[in-house]
Amino acid sequence: ETGVTQTPRHLVMGMTNKKSLKCEQHLGHNAMYWYKQSAKKPLELMFVYNFKEQTENNSVPSRFSPECPNSSHLFLHLHTLQPEDSALYLCASSQELPSGRADTQYFGPGTRLTVL
Amino acid sequence: GQQLNQSPQSMFIQEGEDVSMNCTSSSIFNTWLWYKQDPGEGPVLLIALYKAGELTSNGRLTAQFGITRKDSFLNISASIPSDVGIYFCAGHTGNQFYFGTGTSLTVIP
Repeated sequence: ETGVTQTPRHLVMGMTNKKSLKCEQHLGHNAMYWYKQSAKKPLELMFVYNFKEQTENNSVPSRFSPECPNSSHLFLHLHTLQPEDSALYLCASSQELPSGRADTQYFGPGTRLTVL
Repeated sequence: GQQLNQSPQSMFIQEGEDVSMNCTSSSIFNTWLWYKQDPGEGPVLLIALYKAGELTSNGRLTAQFGITRKDSFLNISASIPSDVGIYFCAGHTGNQFYFGTGTSLTVIP
């Protein structure tokens, strides 16, 4: 148990569906992240939120829409996905320090997404 | 973006052997982290390093933050079957973490 939870753990959706992934961190951290992990590729950063404000959007297609209502919760809304979007989606949190350094980053267990 | 070169890509070792893997970068990082990931699960933090030259242990695992701040290594001593998995390094700079491509470790009983 890392203090970061994700639901659902598995999701199968069609290309026309709309679904949402949820992440919650119980660590009191001020930064949250979405990553995509595909087979045989390094982790790809998608979005970063610091103090609920989005600070990074790594050229992610608009069919992925993040939402951070507060510093403990992060959502990833999915709409009209493609089969190549099938991957493990990981949420993480960290404590960003005023110096620009970061405390450790903790990951959730991930959501295994399959797009048919 | 920043690139982390992690090596080796994969290792097949006998139970009881020691393991060493490392990450290098062209950029300076202020934090180095090492993770282990089992299939279908999220990465689990093993060791965190915050200062150049820092050497930290966690049981049979030892990691070091390179003096140049551009590299780090992880050693596993006396490997056991449950050490099997993928090990990732991560470096922090700016407001992002950057990840290595992973080292896949197989331990043969």
